[in-house]
Amino acid sequence: GAGVSQTPSNKVTEKGKYVELRCDPISGHTALYWYRQSLGQGPEFLIYFQGTGAADDSGLPNDRFFAVRPEGSVSTLKIQRTERGDSAVYLCASRGGANTGELFFGEGSRLTVL
Amino acid sequence: AQSVTQLDSQVPVFEEAPVELRCNYSSSVSVYLFWYVQYPNQGLQLLLKYLSGSTLVKGINGFEAEFNKSQTSFHLRKPSVHISDTAEYFCAVSRGSSNTGKLIFGQGTTLQVKP
Repeated sequence: GAGVSQTPSNKVTEKGKYVELRCDPISGHTALYWYRQSLGQGPEFLIYFQGTGAADDSGLPNDRFFAVRPEGSVSTLKIQRTERGDSAVYLCASRGGANTGELFFGEGSRLTVL
Repeated sequence: AQSVTQLDSQVPVFEEAPVELRCNYSSSVSVYLFWYVQYPNQGLQLLLKYLSGSTLVKGINGFEAEFNKSQTSFHLRKPSVHISDTAEYFCAVSRGSSNTGKLIFGQGTTLQVKP
């Protein structure tokens, strides 16, 4: 596609449930990023992939959060045993060549945990 | 630790007036600085970036920013705003000393352009 695509755009779930959020980056972009944006805050880094491997997952808040990118393209962010504090907009971004500096963001997946 | 502070949460301004959105950062290493804009119901979009070289950086839609190392600032300016500039603006610094795409964002400034 022309841009970064994220699905679902909205997800409402109950506390304790499992959630998957999907990101389809710009074709050919090797680097993929997940950020989380809470209400009234700027985005917060979670994890980034270079190809299939997680190059840095230091932003994941705890072991309930996990992300994969098995074929170096689409990525899935997985959240186990969701808590109300997980409610936020989850942003995905991709980047092409190194040192260009520009991240291309999707519109985000808004997660609401009741 | 690195951090970014956007000094104004909201900036109301009349159309065709100049505007400055303030951003200060703290870092003990070399920095790469960015301004992103988020229009309603859209993803974040890069306005401009400072990686090296000239401290005055020009971006899209008539925006510019000046990197001031001594004051650790990267303020965003536009000489004449339009209604269409109404959006949320985020200043960001690259985490660490390299440009890996791991960014630390400020809390954002809402620019409200009034007719």
